[in-house]
Amino acid sequence: EIVLTQSPGTVSLSPGERATLSCRASQSVRSSYLAWYQQKPGQAPRLLIYGASSRATGIPDRFSGRGSGTDFTLTINRLETDDFAVYYCQHYGSSPLFGQGTKVEI
Amino acid sequence: DVQLLESGGGLAQPGGSLRLSCAASGFTFNNYAMNWARQAPGKGLEWVSAITGSGSRTTYSDSVKGRFIISRDNSRDTLYLQMNGLRAEDTAVYYCARENPVPAFDIWGQGTMVTVSS
Repeated sequence: EIVLTQSPGTVSLSPGERATLSCRASQSVRSSYLAWYQQKPGQAPRLLIYGASSRATGIPDRFSGRGSGTDFTLTINRLETDDFAVYYCQHYGSSPLFGQGTKVEI
Repeated sequence: DVQLLESGGGLAQPGGSLRLSCAASGFTFNNYAMNWARQAPGKGLEWVSAITGSGSRTTYSDSVKGRFIISRDNSRDTLYLQMNGLRAEDTAVYYCARENPVPAFDIWGQGTMVTVSS
């Protein structure tokens, strides 16, 4: 069974800085099955990245994803106040699986 | 607009049942697999169940297998989750989500709260 481990659990940054979020799988996974979501308090998740590196519709290019095998990264450049949220990675397998989340706080 | 709207949440007793609905609009419903995911208070996301566009195949997480039933009515553009044998640990916000072929969950509903308590 695949386990997704996100790090750090919480990162404290200022607007304008860069956030680098990690998602590590316990075994190699297909990059095409790796997605990232953003969730703000009281809201549903929103798809940011699919296929490890493709931005979903309407997602600004400040958000970028990369990685392969077991190590994946979501980078948010020039943080805006609207970006402070919790971010989840997801592996789409026979049983879709989410990481435990990384909170990006001001 | 593409939209999903859940309903049917509420308070249930342990061992009881609830049926959630998810009404879809703005897209051809039967072209898409659909999923249910949940989020316990203060916790992360957990996938619950999925169903193919035709409804012919369903999958479940181990935590709900044998207790929950996912179904859909493509004539009504509606997804369902029948929840039986509810436990306190089923307390969560339940989201329906559209699965695009990428694959990823590209559209989410606003969620409906289910509380299991005596």
